[in-house]
Amino acid sequence: GENVEQHPSTLSVQEGDSAVIKCTYSDSASNYFPWYKQELGKRPQLIIDIRSNVGEKKDQRIAVTLNKTAKHFSLHITETQPEDSAVYFCAAQANNFGNEKLTFGTGTRLTIIP
Amino acid sequence: GAVVSQHPSRVICKSGTSVKIECRSLDFQATTMFWYRQFPKQSLMLMATSNEGSKATYEQGVEKDKFLINHASLTLSTLTVTSAHPEDSSFYICSAATRDEKLFFGSGTQLSVL
Repeated sequence: GENVEQHPSTLSVQEGDSAVIKCTYSDSASNYFPWYKQELGKRPQLIIDIRSNVGEKKDQRIAVTLNKTAKHFSLHITETQPEDSAVYFCAAQANNFGNEKLTFGTGTRLTIIP
Repeated sequence: GAVVSQHPSRVICKSGTSVKIECRSLDFQATTMFWYRQFPKQSLMLMATSNEGSKATYEQGVEKDKFLINHASLTLSTLTVTSAHPEDSSFYICSAATRDEKLFFGSGTQLSVL
């Protein structure tokens, strides 16, 4: 089955600087890669996703890059703000028809230092 | 985004009792819903895949008789923790996939078994 590794497990960034979180996956059949943000005690929220037919996607301060050959994808947050502090999870899915399970990374606790 | 409602948000029960958690897709139909368990500071662990009108598919190590799942309609799945014990205390989250294959999560249920 799929195995997703996520690094780093914790990350502290000065406000205004950029943060990068990296994930690798093992199943070359995976073709959908969402990122979720989870604040303490709350539900994970989808913040951005990418499908395997593109290499990069951007939404305001958030971007995701995908390298299918190397089987890794990254989340980039620019101009970080205190409200970006949360736990971020990457995930990979082999079949994006909605009925295939996601495999999650272990999470990155991002702390933005004011 | 789509709305997934989960109730109750918090439940405290005595050891040996059963607890039912509901997960509803409010503005879309979901043939498949997923149930996760999350321990503090850890990633989401998939427990089972709930399929409308058929039996749930359980992940390895998850007791199907302990965690009963019913997906009676396209908008409702329930998870019943039977004969709950303190080790079942955890944060339980459901999710459902929309037609465009994005996954949205319920708000979670914090279960505390005394």
